Amino acid sequence: ENVLTQSPATLSLSPGERVILSCRASQSVTSHLAWYQQKPGQPPRLLIYDVSSRATGVPARFSGSGSGTDFTLTISSLEPEDFAVYYCQHRSRSLFTFGPGTKVDFK
Amino acid sequence: EVQLVDSGGGLVQPGGSLRLSCVASGFTFANYAMNWVRQAPGKGPEWVSIISDSGDTTFYADSVKGRFTISRDQSKNTLFLQMKSLTAEDTAVYFCAKGFRGSGGYSAYFDNWGQGTLVTVSS
Repeated sequence: ENVLTQSPATLSLSPGERVILSCRASQSVTSHLAWYQQKPGQPPRLLIYDVSSRATGVPARFSGSGSGTDFTLTISSLEPEDFAVYYCQHRSRSLFTFGPGTKVDFK
Repeated sequence: EVQLVDSGGGLVQPGGSLRLSCVASGFTFANYAMNWVRQAPGKGPEWVSIISDSGDTTFYADSVKGRFTISRDQSKNTLFLQMKSLTAEDTAVYFCAKGFRGSGGYSAYFDNWGQGTLVTVSS
């Protein structure tokens, strides 16, 4: 099983700041890595797939990058609606795994 | 507009059974793999099971293998999850999620989600 770890667990920030979230895999990942955003009481929302492709309707301030075992989600300038928990996710063969998440909250 | 409406959750005793349903609309149901993903209180999502678009291939997380069965009724655009031998560790909100392929040839992501149905296993 390819275990995903995310850091940091929590980030306290202000609107307008640049955010870089990290996701590290225990084994090398092909291109099948995604990022989701989740707000309280809502299901996760797909933001990024295939490492760097934005899902439909996702603002351009969200971008993904990385390769091998190290991946990042960048929010170029934090908007008030971006305060949420972010998860990375990967599929390997018949198993799907999620990282433990990074919470982005108000400073 | 894609809509996924989950239902069937509730309070069940340890060792009991429950059947979840998810009615899909707004897309051609038979063309997409479908999944169940659960989220325990205060925890991150955990993938549970996937069924192929045709329904002839299924996979399960190790934590539910042998206890849960995923199925689909193409005529009713409905996804099911039959759960048995439930334990407290199965307590979670269960989401159905539509599969999304991205650039690959198989469903690797989840691009639409239901609102979830809460399953509580407790005596």
